[in-house]
Amino acid sequence: DTVLTQSPALAVSPGERVSISCRASEGVNSYMHWYQQKPGQQPKLLIYKASNLASGVPARFSGSGSGTDFTLTIDPVEADDTATYFCQQSWNDPTFGGGTKLELK
Amino acid sequence: QVTLKESGPGMLQPSKTLSLTCSFSGFSLSTSGMVVSWIRQPSGKSLEWLAAIDWDGDKYYNPSLKSRLTVSKDTSNTQVFLKITSVDIADTATYYCARSHSSYPLYWYFDFWGPGTMVTVSS
Repeated sequence: DTVLTQSPALAVSPGERVSISCRASEGVNSYMHWYQQKPGQQPKLLIYKASNLASGVPARFSGSGSGTDFTLTIDPVEADDTATYFCQQSWNDPTFGGGTKLELK
Repeated sequence: QVTLKESGPGMLQPSKTLSLTCSFSGFSLSTSGMVVSWIRQPSGKSLEWLAAIDWDGDKYYNPSLKSRLTVSKDTSNTQVFLKITSVDIADTATYYCARSHSSYPLYWYFDFWGPGTMVTVSS
């Protein structure tokens, strides 16, 4: 299995920029995708193939990286961005990161 | 618009077989490139991909669970099913179905998800 490692939690103030990282246990080329999940809801696709914005997602969200290290950036952060963010790779059988819970100060 | 919705038993006993249904609209699983996956999430934990079936009827399984999983689709290509045999407490989770739109697993990101169905395994 390709293991994806994320920091468990982050806290930022509205209006700031936040970067959420995801590290893969082996290279996954650019086949990394990002999701937002709010409590009680299903995940929502934000970014596909490392840096492509999914349909309807605000341009405040962006993605970067290749190989083993990837970043989801939100700039500027808004109150509605409080959620857990998951990365997912598709280079091998799909696996997900443990999630990063984003809290606003 | 694309929608998916999962249904299941809610609760079942250990050692039984779990049967789940994903009903969807806004696309057909007979369309080239369409794929429906099953993904689960224990409460407060991360997501685990379980299985997928594509437009051509090809089936894909998580190797760690493969012996217990069977994915299938109906002939009208508007429902996908998942069976998990010999369930135990560790199978307690919310089960989601989700769509991908590429025949190549490399491009399997999930652009539409159902709201999920919660399954509790308990005696």
